[in-house]
Amino acid sequence: AQTVTQSQPEMSVQEAETVTLSCTYDTSESDYYLFWYKQPPSRQMILVIRQEAYKQQNATENRFSVNFQKAAKSFSLKISDSQLGDAAMYFCAYRSYFTGNQFYFGTGTSLTVIP
Amino acid sequence: DGGITQSPKYLFRKEGQNVTLSCEQNLNHDAMYWYRQDPGQGLRLIYYSQIVNDFQKGDIAEGYSVSREKKESFPLTVTSAQKNPTAFYLCASSTLGEGRHEQFFGPGTRLTVL
Repeated sequence: AQTVTQSQPEMSVQEAETVTLSCTYDTSESDYYLFWYKQPPSRQMILVIRQEAYKQQNATENRFSVNFQKAAKSFSLKISDSQLGDAAMYFCAYRSYFTGNQFYFGTGTSLTVIP
Repeated sequence: DGGITQSPKYLFRKEGQNVTLSCEQNLNHDAMYWYRQDPGQGLRLIYYSQIVNDFQKGDIAEGYSVSREKKESFPLTVTSAQKNPTAFYLCASSTLGEGRHEQFFGPGTRLTVL
């Protein structure tokens, strides 16, 4: 089974600053999908951004962008101009393209935004 | 609006009782999933289903059971055999094959054993 590792249990950032959350994964597959989900205090899981492994261009969604390094099996999330509403748990997730029935999640990073 | 509903939001159970958590989706997704979330442990897969009347065990299926009689519904029963059932339970769904590929999640059910 694939494994997803988030090595930063907690992170903090000053409001309006930039923060990067790390994620690495282990796989022997060449085609797959990667995701970042946000879980605010309400505990509703919200998709932040997705990346297809066959795309070399890094995905961006407004203030959120990723640094996808396929050879290094790294998928970090950069949040620019951090806002108080960005405070949440962030989960990195992997889905196989060929056997895409299961999703594999990291243990999460708790992000605090300091006013 | 399309989405996933879970009920109830909060559930209390006495030890030794079975309890069923509801999950319904109107997204026309083939696959549905149940996860358990404990502090510091992320999401752990309990069961998933790709098609009606078929489902597979996840990493922590012991003490749980599911059914998939309709495409829209995937209820989870927490049995008395589950030794530590107090947790937050999330239901999710996704397409299979072509599509957006991500999972969509319900709002969750918080189960507490008294």
